[in-house]
Amino acid sequence: GQQVMQIPQYQHVQEGEDFTTYCNSSTTLSNIQWYKQRPGGHPVFLIQLVKSGEVKKQKRLTFQFGEAKKNSSLHITATQTTDVGTYFCAGRSGTYKYIFGTGTRLKVLA
Amino acid sequence: NAGVTQTPKFQVLKTGQSMTLQCAQDMNHEYMSWYRQDPGMGLRLIHYSVGAGITDQGEVPNGYNVSRSTTEDFPLRLLSAAPSQTSVYFCASGINSGANVLTFGAGSRLTVL
Repeated sequence: GQQVMQIPQYQHVQEGEDFTTYCNSSTTLSNIQWYKQRPGGHPVFLIQLVKSGEVKKQKRLTFQFGEAKKNSSLHITATQTTDVGTYFCAGRSGTYKYIFGTGTRLKVLA
Repeated sequence: NAGVTQTPKFQVLKTGQSMTLQCAQDMNHEYMSWYRQDPGMGLRLIHYSVGAGITDQGEVPNGYNVSRSTTEDFPLRLLSAAPSQTSVYFCASGINSGANVLTFGAGSRLTVL
């Protein structure tokens, strides 16, 4: 079945440093979504990418969808303490099953 | 709008007991789903539904039943709880389209002793 892996599992950065998490699917995806979960909270939708090679930006966050539509990345420039949380990618592959990645937990040290 | 409401927030069960986790949404979403979250495992899909009367299995369906008699409600049933079902459970709903943005409930933390 479809599997979605994320690396790294954990990342500690100093405030102001950049951060990147990578998402890799075993199958070609129809689209990919990114969610953020604050500690003790629930996942909240950030963005969706649909087109091969698509790049979208939200302030300090840059999202990319790979050319083969099997991988994606989230890059945060100049992290802030408000960026703390776990970032998940979620992919759909021809069905209505939204399979989530394993997540990357980000800690930002002030 | 309340969004997606899950009850209870916390529950402790003994092995072999049964219970139902409730999920209700007031956004007229056709798509509803249940995930469990365990440390290091991310969110794993248990069951999902694309509309009233239609349900299907996700990645980890064993030990769980669902039904969808109305658009608003999607309860998750544990027939005979096991310690391996100790987890945080999230219900999520979406419009039901190719661009299905999921709205999550606050979660239900279940402990099985």
